[in-house]
Amino acid sequence: AQKVTQAQTEISVVEKEDVTLDCVYETRDTTYYLFWYKQPPSGELVFLIRRNSFDEQNEISGRYSWNFQKSTSSFNFTITASQVVDSAVYFCALSEVMNRDDKIIFGKGTRLHILP
Amino acid sequence: DVKVTQSSRYLVKRTGEKVFLECVQDMDHENMFWYRQDPGLGLRLIYFSYDVKMKEKGDIPEGYSVSREKKERFSLILESASTNQTSMYLCASSPLGTDTQYFGPGTRLTVL
Repeated sequence: AQKVTQAQTEISVVEKEDVTLDCVYETRDTTYYLFWYKQPPSGELVFLIRRNSFDEQNEISGRYSWNFQKSTSSFNFTITASQVVDSAVYFCALSEVMNRDDKIIFGKGTRLHILP
Repeated sequence: DVKVTQSSRYLVKRTGEKVFLECVQDMDHENMFWYRQDPGLGLRLIYFSYDVKMKEKGDIPEGYSVSREKKERFSLILESASTNQTSMYLCASSPLGTDTQYFGPGTRLTVL
Protein backbone atom coordinates (compact mmCIF):
# COMPACT_ATOMS: atom_id res chain seq x y z
CA ALA A 1 0.00 0.00 0.00
CA GLN A 2 1.13 3.50 -0.66
CA LYS A 3 2.01 5.68 2.28
CA VAL A 4 3.83 8.93 2.99
CA THR A 5 5.37 9.61 6.39
CA GLN A 6 6.49 12.99 7.61
CA ALA A 7 7.85 12.19 11.03
CA GLN A 8 8.48 15.81 12.01
CA THR A 9 5.18 17.26 13.13
CA GLU A 10 6.55 20.68 13.95
CA ILE A 11 9.96 22.36 13.59
CA SER A 12 11.17 25.74 14.78
CA VAL A 13 14.38 27.35 13.61
CA VAL A 14 15.82 30.81 13.81
CA GLU A 15 15.86 32.87 10.66
CA LYS A 16 18.86 32.26 8.36
CA GLU A 17 19.37 28.73 9.62
CA ASP A 18 19.12 25.83 7.20
CA VAL A 19 16.34 23.33 7.81
CA THR A 20 15.53 19.94 6.32
CA LEU A 21 12.06 18.45 6.19
CA ASP A 22 12.00 14.68 6.01
CA CYS A 23 9.72 12.57 3.85
CA VAL A 24 9.67 8.78 3.62
CA TYR A 25 7.34 6.96 1.29
CA GLU A 26 6.14 3.44 0.62
CA THR A 27 4.99 2.12 -2.72
CA ARG A 28 4.93 -1.15 -4.64
CA ASP A 29 4.98 0.68 -7.93
CA THR A 30 8.18 1.18 -9.89
CA THR A 31 6.83 4.29 -11.55
CA TYR A 32 5.58 7.03 -9.32
CA TYR A 33 5.71 10.73 -8.66
CA LEU A 34 6.70 12.59 -5.53
CA PHE A 35 5.59 16.09 -4.66
CA TRP A 36 6.10 18.85 -2.16
CA TYR A 37 3.43 21.45 -1.43
CA LYS A 38 3.56 24.52 0.81
CA GLN A 39 0.55 25.74 2.78
CA PRO A 40 1.12 29.26 4.14
CA PRO A 41 -1.18 30.70 6.83
CA SER A 42 -3.56 31.90 4.10
CA GLY A 43 -4.55 28.25 3.58
CA GLU A 44 -3.96 27.60 -0.09
CA LEU A 45 -1.67 24.70 -0.97
CA VAL A 46 1.04 25.85 -3.34
CA PHE A 47 2.73 23.32 -5.60
CA LEU A 48 6.52 23.37 -5.22
CA ILE A 49 7.93 20.40 -7.10
CA ARG A 50 7.13 17.10 -8.79
CA ARG A 51 9.78 14.43 -9.24
CA ASN A 52 9.33 11.16 -11.12
CA SER A 53 10.80 7.92 -9.84
CA PHE A 54 13.29 7.59 -12.69
CA ASP A 55 14.95 10.88 -11.99
CA GLU A 56 17.11 10.72 -8.90
CA GLN A 57 18.99 13.90 -9.58
CA ASN A 58 18.77 16.40 -6.81
CA GLU A 59 17.02 19.61 -7.63
CA ILE A 60 17.79 23.14 -6.53
CA SER A 61 15.55 26.15 -6.93
CA GLY A 62 16.91 29.23 -5.23
CA ARG A 63 17.03 28.53 -1.50
CA TYR A 64 15.07 25.30 -1.92
CA SER A 65 16.62 21.94 -2.68
CA TRP A 66 15.30 18.41 -2.80
CA ASN A 67 17.19 15.18 -2.20
CA PHE A 68 15.58 12.08 -3.69
CA GLN A 69 17.06 8.74 -2.61
CA LYS A 70 15.30 5.62 -3.87
CA SER A 71 17.53 3.39 -1.76
CA THR A 72 16.02 4.82 1.41
CA SER A 73 12.62 5.76 -0.10
CA SER A 74 13.13 9.35 0.94
CA PHE A 75 12.45 12.69 -0.66
CA ASN A 76 13.76 15.34 1.70
CA PHE A 77 13.36 19.07 1.33
CA THR A 78 15.95 21.58 2.49
CA ILE A 79 15.51 25.31 2.88
CA THR A 80 18.79 27.18 3.00
CA ALA A 81 19.09 30.48 4.85
CA SER A 82 15.48 30.31 6.01
CA GLN A 83 13.28 33.38 6.09
CA VAL A 84 10.17 34.24 8.08
CA VAL A 85 8.11 33.94 4.89
CA ASP A 86 9.02 30.26 4.78
CA SER A 87 6.83 29.67 7.82
CA ALA A 88 4.12 27.29 6.63
CA VAL A 89 2.93 23.72 6.68
CA TYR A 90 4.77 21.59 4.13
CA PHE A 91 3.26 18.46 2.65
CA CYS A 92 5.07 15.64 0.91
CA ALA A 93 2.92 13.52 -1.42
CA LEU A 94 3.04 10.44 -3.65
CA SER A 95 1.18 9.35 -6.76
CA GLU A 96 1.46 5.89 -8.30
CA VAL A 97 1.26 5.88 -12.08
CA MET A 98 -0.21 2.38 -12.27
CA ASN A 99 -3.20 3.48 -10.23
CA ARG A 100 -4.44 5.33 -13.33
CA ASP A 101 -6.66 7.51 -11.20
CA ASP A 102 -4.43 10.56 -10.80
CA LYS A 103 -4.91 10.55 -7.03
CA ILE A 104 -2.24 11.86 -4.67
CA ILE A 105 -1.55 10.51 -1.21
CA PHE A 106 -0.42 13.22 1.18
CA GLY A 107 1.68 12.98 4.30
CA LYS A 108 0.29 14.63 7.42
CA GLY A 109 2.51 17.66 6.97
CA THR A 110 5.30 19.39 8.88
CA ARG A 111 4.59 22.76 10.41
CA LEU A 112 7.66 24.97 10.07
CA HIS A 113 8.15 28.06 12.23
CA ILE A 114 10.90 30.46 11.24
CA LEU A 115 11.64 32.71 14.21
CA PRO A 116 12.92 36.22 13.56
CA ASP B 1 -1.52 30.53 -14.26
CA VAL B 2 -3.91 27.90 -13.03
CA LYS B 3 -6.75 29.42 -11.10
CA VAL B 4 -8.96 27.48 -8.75
CA THR B 5 -11.53 29.48 -6.84
CA GLN B 6 -13.85 28.51 -4.03
CA SER B 7 -17.08 30.33 -3.35
CA SER B 8 -16.39 31.25 0.27
CA ARG B 9 -13.32 31.55 2.49
CA TYR B 10 -15.38 31.28 5.68
CA LEU B 11 -18.81 29.80 6.22
CA VAL B 12 -20.91 29.31 9.34
CA LYS B 13 -23.91 27.00 9.21
CA ARG B 14 -26.25 25.35 11.67
CA THR B 15 -26.68 21.66 12.30
CA GLY B 16 -29.10 20.12 9.84
CA GLU B 17 -28.67 22.77 7.15
CA LYS B 18 -27.89 21.81 3.58
CA VAL B 19 -24.54 23.26 2.60
CA PHE B 20 -23.09 23.83 -0.86
CA LEU B 21 -19.41 24.43 -1.40
CA GLU B 22 -18.54 25.54 -4.90
CA CYS B 23 -15.27 25.16 -6.75
CA VAL B 24 -14.42 26.55 -10.17
CA GLN B 25 -11.25 26.09 -12.23
CA ASP B 26 -10.35 27.98 -15.37
CA MET B 27 -7.76 25.70 -16.93
CA ASP B 28 -10.02 23.14 -18.61
CA HIS B 29 -8.79 20.38 -16.28
CA GLU B 30 -10.55 17.06 -16.44
CA ASN B 31 -9.90 16.05 -12.83
CA MET B 32 -11.32 17.77 -9.78
CA PHE B 33 -11.03 16.81 -6.13
CA TRP B 34 -12.49 17.69 -2.75
CA TYR B 35 -10.46 17.24 0.44
CA ARG B 36 -11.00 18.07 4.05
CA GLN B 37 -8.12 19.06 6.28
CA ASP B 38 -8.14 18.57 10.03
CA PRO B 39 -5.35 19.08 12.57
CA GLY B 40 -3.24 15.97 12.94
CA LEU B 41 -5.05 14.16 10.13
CA GLY B 42 -3.63 15.91 7.09
CA LEU B 43 -5.62 16.00 3.87
CA ARG B 44 -8.27 13.38 3.34
CA LEU B 45 -9.95 12.84 -0.01
CA ILE B 46 -13.75 13.07 0.03
CA TYR B 47 -14.72 12.76 -3.63
CA PHE B 48 -13.16 13.23 -7.02
CA SER B 49 -14.33 13.47 -10.60
CA TYR B 50 -12.68 12.66 -13.92
CA ASP B 51 -15.26 14.21 -16.16
CA VAL B 52 -18.60 15.92 -16.28
CA LYS B 53 -21.28 13.93 -14.47
CA MET B 54 -18.70 11.42 -13.26
CA LYS B 55 -17.77 11.03 -9.62
CA GLU B 56 -15.77 8.64 -7.50
CA LYS B 57 -15.73 8.17 -3.76
CA GLY B 58 -12.57 9.02 -1.93
CA ASP B 59 -11.54 7.89 1.52
CA ILE B 60 -14.25 9.62 3.56
CA PRO B 61 -17.39 10.14 1.43
CA GLU B 62 -19.92 9.53 4.20
CA GLY B 63 -22.15 12.52 4.80
CA TYR B 64 -21.17 14.19 1.54
CA SER B 65 -22.25 14.19 -2.08
CA VAL B 66 -20.93 15.99 -5.15
CA SER B 67 -22.15 17.38 -8.42
CA ARG B 68 -20.29 18.06 -11.64
CA GLU B 69 -22.64 19.42 -14.28
CA LYS B 70 -19.99 21.47 -16.06
CA LYS B 71 -16.33 20.72 -16.58
CA GLU B 72 -15.13 23.78 -14.73
CA ARG B 73 -17.35 23.43 -11.66
CA PHE B 74 -17.33 20.82 -8.91
CA SER B 75 -19.69 21.20 -5.98
CA LEU B 76 -19.51 19.54 -2.60
CA ILE B 77 -22.84 19.08 -0.82
CA LEU B 78 -23.47 18.43 2.84
CA GLU B 79 -27.06 17.19 2.83
CA SER B 80 -27.52 17.73 6.57
CA ALA B 81 -24.56 19.43 8.17
CA SER B 82 -23.27 18.09 11.46
CA THR B 83 -20.78 19.53 13.93
CA ASN B 84 -18.20 16.88 13.03
CA GLN B 85 -18.10 18.34 9.54
CA THR B 86 -16.53 21.50 10.87
CA SER B 87 -13.28 21.61 8.94
CA MET B 88 -11.20 23.24 6.22
CA TYR B 89 -12.35 22.13 2.77
CA LEU B 90 -9.93 22.26 -0.13
CA CYS B 91 -10.72 21.88 -3.79
CA ALA B 92 -8.11 20.92 -6.40
CA SER B 93 -7.92 20.26 -10.12
CA SER B 94 -5.46 18.57 -12.46
CA PRO B 95 -5.21 17.67 -16.13
CA LEU B 96 -6.02 14.07 -16.98
CA GLY B 97 -2.98 11.82 -16.84
CA THR B 98 -0.82 14.25 -14.92
CA ASP B 99 -0.80 14.11 -11.19
CA THR B 100 0.05 17.64 -10.20
CA GLN B 101 -2.96 19.10 -8.45
CA TYR B 102 -3.62 22.80 -8.13
CA PHE B 103 -5.52 23.97 -5.12
CA GLY B 104 -8.04 26.64 -4.31
CA PRO B 105 -7.76 28.89 -1.24
CA GLY B 106 -9.95 26.67 0.91
CA THR B 107 -13.25 27.15 2.73
CA ARG B 108 -13.25 27.06 6.50
CA LEU B 109 -16.65 25.69 7.46
CA THR B 110 -18.00 25.89 10.98
CA VAL B 111 -21.16 23.97 11.84
CA LEU B 112 -22.83 25.11 15.05
